[in-house]
This record gives sequence, C-alpha cells and structure tokens, in this order.
Amino acid sequence: DGGITQSPKYLFRKEGQNVTLSCEQNLNHDAMYWYRQDPGQGLRLIYYSQIVNDFQKGDIAEGYSVSREKKESFPLTVTSAQKNPTAFYLCASSSGGMASNEQYFGPGTRLTVT
Amino acid sequence: QKEVEQDPGPLSVPEGAIVSLNCTYSNSAFQYFMWYRQYSRKGPELLMYTYSSGNKEDGRFTAQVDKSSKYISLFIRDSQPSDSATYLCAMSSYSSASKIIFGSGTRLSIRP
Repeated sequence: DGGITQSPKYLFRKEGQNVTLSCEQNLNHDAMYWYRQDPGQGLRLIYYSQIVNDFQKGDIAEGYSVSREKKESFPLTVTSAQKNPTAFYLCASSSGGMASNEQYFGPGTRLTVT
Repeated sequence: QKEVEQDPGPLSVPEGAIVSLNCTYSNSAFQYFMWYRQYSRKGPELLMYTYSSGNKEDGRFTAQVDKSSKYISLFIRDSQPSDSATYLCAMSSYSSASKIIFGSGTRLSIRP
C-alpha cells in the first residue's frame, strides 16, 4: 500500500525542548516537503528536498532543521529557537522536476508546545 | 496583498446543490492550478490539477481557470454530505514548480 506516513499523530512537548517529526514515503518520489498549517492560514513551506542529501529553505525555515539521508525519509526537527511551534505539520512528496506541483500529503502531526 | 486570496467561508448548502468555490491570484506567472480537499484533522488530498487556462472535468467536479482575470473556480455538482470539507486552491509557476502557493481554504458544509 503506497503512501506517506507521519508519526506521531499528536505530539506534546514542553517549551525549550527540541522535537523531531517523522515522515516516510514508499512512493519512490524524489522530492519531499514540509509545510506548517495554522488556523485560517494556507500551508506555508518550511523546507523541501528534491534529491537525497540536498534540501532548501522554504518561506519559514527559521527555528527548523531537516535531513535527507534516505530517499524515503525526511525528518523535521522543531528546535527551541522556533518562537511559535504549536501547529499542524504536513509532509508531502512528489515525483520532482516539472511534476513537483503534484504533491501528495501525509496525514499530518499536530504538535502542541506548552 | 496575499498572492492567493480565498474566501474562508463557511459555506453551507443543501444536498444536491451546485457548489462554486473560487480563488483569485496576483502573480501572472502562475501556470499550474490545483484544488485540494482536506477533511478535518487530515492531510490535504489532491482533487484537481490543471495547466494554464481552460476547464477540466472529473466526475462531479469541474475546475475552471481564467488567466486573463486571474481567477480559478471549482464546481461541485450534485453535492453530497461527504463533500463537506475544507477546499484549498493552490498554484505554482513554471520556473518554481516546487514552490506551491496555497489559499487559506474555504470550509464547505453540505446539509442533508
């Protein structure tokens, strides 16, 4: 069954702690993306990777870090430097190149930081 | 001004009605236009994808792009309660296909 998995579905952390969100895909897609969704706002791009061992900052990369050591995996770390980390985080993947705009999303992780 | 504007709703219509959802945009470089459906607490699902201007039909759904007016629409015919969700428009340019700009979403409710 092909798709994108994100874990966990809900995550709770104390302020000042780093936290890593998992994203795995078995679609054999080259490109992977992380978005953040806040109430009443569209999705905002945090980081994206078009190939293994390479990634680029999106529009709101401050306070976040990523790695892309394997094609299937693109974990996102929310660091203590992120001023407002509570949000719904969505991972997506695409074939890459000109098909990059056909992105397929995972189920999301809701992060709450108190 | 946001690059993509979308009325947040909520929009409530009776079952069987035709639904019209719309977005306007300001960047004339946008060439790829998408509609995503997002159920509550779930990830968005790609519903329709169109390139440049024109119409595209898929079952009960029709996507329309008017580049001259910078206006896109999604029509849902014979709406069902299962269509109740938030609909996000999204678009990107040829030179930056990876960087999709999303609308904020319209919440749609279909009353049985």
